[in-house]
Amino acid sequence: DQQVKQNSPSLSVQEGRISILNCDYTNSMFDYFLWYKKYPAEGPTFLISISSIKDKNEDGRFTVFLNKSAKHLSLHIVPSQPGDSAVYFCAASGSEETSGSRLTFGEGTQLTVNP
Amino acid sequence: NAGVTQTPKFRILKIGQSMTLQCTQDMNHNYMYWYRQDPGMGLKLIYYSVGAGITDKGEVPNGYNVSRSTTEDFPLRLELAAPSQTSVYFCASSRYGRNKNYGYTFGSGTRLTVV
Repeated sequence: DQQVKQNSPSLSVQEGRISILNCDYTNSMFDYFLWYKKYPAEGPTFLISISSIKDKNEDGRFTVFLNKSAKHLSLHIVPSQPGDSAVYFCAASGSEETSGSRLTFGEGTQLTVNP
Repeated sequence: NAGVTQTPKFRILKIGQSMTLQCTQDMNHNYMYWYRQDPGMGLKLIYYSVGAGITDKGEVPNGYNVSRSTTEDFPLRLELAAPSQTSVYFCASSRYGRNKNYGYTFGSGTRLTVV
């Protein structure tokens, strides 16, 4: 039962263009969503998050959009840079009371930004 | 400021052997977690702890044990290693409560091979 799904295992874009990574979830109790970036041989690092009371959160080149009715979120990277090449994980959490701060992760999407 | 430290980084075990993966954090975080990452499968929660003396099972706890005697340390014990436990293991910690930068801090991982 995969509650958080990233249907694209890989994505390749040209430097300077937009990267769009997608994520779908099934559990309606999720109310907080995060994106992590992972380089080879390193642990994932927190990138950006969004609460379910918002539909957009922006941090520099990174913007996360949340569509609650569709249970879908996306990460936009503009402009994409070669250093953005990494695996991106989508993650979701319910309330502290229901999930104890646990995160459920998607399978990850390998982003490659070509110079 | 070390963050989350995992040891060892690599290990090869024979079937039936046991070992302990060490994890320590210096951020005074209450919550700690153990995840495993299999290729194409994202991160699966093994065990987690909400504070010293308190542990609970995640999605895939079979074959593992944990303890949390101090806030800083959260070791993961593998008893009777099996090839199915070949994976990359990540320890993570988080501060209790929800805030703008809600996210985990991950260690750099332990790559375990069971032969």
